[in-house]
Amino acid sequence: GAVVSQHPSRVICKSGTSVKIECRSLDFQATTMFWYRQFPKQSLMLMATSNEGSKATYEQGVEKDKFLINHASLTLSTLTVTSAHPEDSSFYICSARPGHNQETQYFGPGTRLLVL
Amino acid sequence: GQNIDQPTEMTATEGAIVQINCTYQTSGFNGLFWYQQHAGEAPTFLSYNVLDGLEEKGRFSSFLSRSKGYSYLLLKELQMKDSASYLCAVRDFWGGGNKLTFGTGTQLKVEL
Repeated sequence: GAVVSQHPSRVICKSGTSVKIECRSLDFQATTMFWYRQFPKQSLMLMATSNEGSKATYEQGVEKDKFLINHASLTLSTLTVTSAHPEDSSFYICSARPGHNQETQYFGPGTRLLVL
Repeated sequence: GQNIDQPTEMTATEGAIVQINCTYQTSGFNGLFWYQQHAGEAPTFLSYNVLDGLEEKGRFSSFLSRSKGYSYLLLKELQMKDSASYLCAVRDFWGGGNKLTFGTGTQLKVEL
């Protein structure tokens, strides 16, 4: 099946710093990538939809200046959490949808962010 | 918006059958997905329904009734490794037809 990777898998940072998370589709081209956030014992909440070569579409309540998304190629999207605070600590998961397969999204393994 | 409901927790016995229900409300239905998620891991795709009826895939089957806004995931011959959270997700036509909205998940515990 399709493989999506995320890096790093786990990161601890100080409050006020920025953290970049990478999401790569390893064996397919992803015209669309999605970024989700999951707090403990809660479901995935979509943060933004990222389309290659265009600006990301953010969900209501998600600050686009705080969560910067770049989708520069068909295999890479990045999420940068700027000026991170403890309340940003969460599990961040990306997914990618192959251009040829409209049925499903393939999820990356997730990045656990802890802001001290 | 969407409203997706599924039970919070279920417990079943190894070797048995369990059915996890999901009800949803959406104005532009464009498919329903089931995912399995183990603690601390990303979700893995289980099934996809866009037309009414039953889709069978090995030990897992998923059913959809669009008129009732209802789906279920059926797990047969339960194994201990099936203990996980099962997420129902609905895709709608809005936002370019790509967006998935997830339910809160059903935590399944398989016991001996």
